[in-house]
Amino acid sequence: NAGVTQTPKFRILKIGQSMTLQCAQDMNHNYMYWYRQDPGMGLKLIYYSVGAGITDKGEVPNGYNVSRSTTEDFPLRLELAAPSQTSVYFCASSPERGYTGELFFGEGSRLTVL
Amino acid sequence: DQQVKQNSPSLSVQEGRISILNCDYTNSMFDYFLWYKKYPAEGPTFLISISSIKDKNEDGRFTVFLNKSAKHLSLHIVPSQPGDSAVYFCAASAIGGATNKLIFGTGTLLAVQP
Repeated sequence: NAGVTQTPKFRILKIGQSMTLQCAQDMNHNYMYWYRQDPGMGLKLIYYSVGAGITDKGEVPNGYNVSRSTTEDFPLRLELAAPSQTSVYFCASSPERGYTGELFFGEGSRLTVL
Repeated sequence: DQQVKQNSPSLSVQEGRISILNCDYTNSMFDYFLWYKKYPAEGPTFLISISSIKDKNEDGRFTVFLNKSAKHLSLHIVPSQPGDSAVYFCAASAIGGATNKLIFGTGTLLAVQP
């Protein structure tokens, strides 16, 4: 099993460009999440999904969009990239009854907006 | 408003000695706490957790202690090994271990010297 796979690992964007960060998991987890981590800060939840077709906002959703058409995939869309979106992005998943607090993270995608 | 605080950005210990990583929280509604470990260029991985009904949980070399009156938890690693060198995040949730409600601290970089 690959676990949680994120692509790309690195990307440089110009201000105003758009892009999609891809995330796929092969553990049949219903719950999936997108976090961002800024230097000296903890992980902040952007969006999450409790199943295909269901998404909800986290702490810092502005400037992002998500969709969940399948159990496996949870892409994160950045529209009109801004320097404030320079960060490391982590996708994660957890089993259906996500009350153990245990998340399974991907390796991260480092995004720089210039 | 940082609800989960890790006031020590870094910690250095000698191999074989005890490592103690600290975490403070402000929200008295938190009832589930976790520690995650992160190596460079990898995603965080779950390490150990504790419910607020307990004051200690042990897993091999790792023990988490919870002091609810002080709103403080700590992670003890005994004995410390060079492979333990990583960033450690504490996290808390106010709804059991609800994974869509985790609040992360800023992390402590542990360096274990051979």
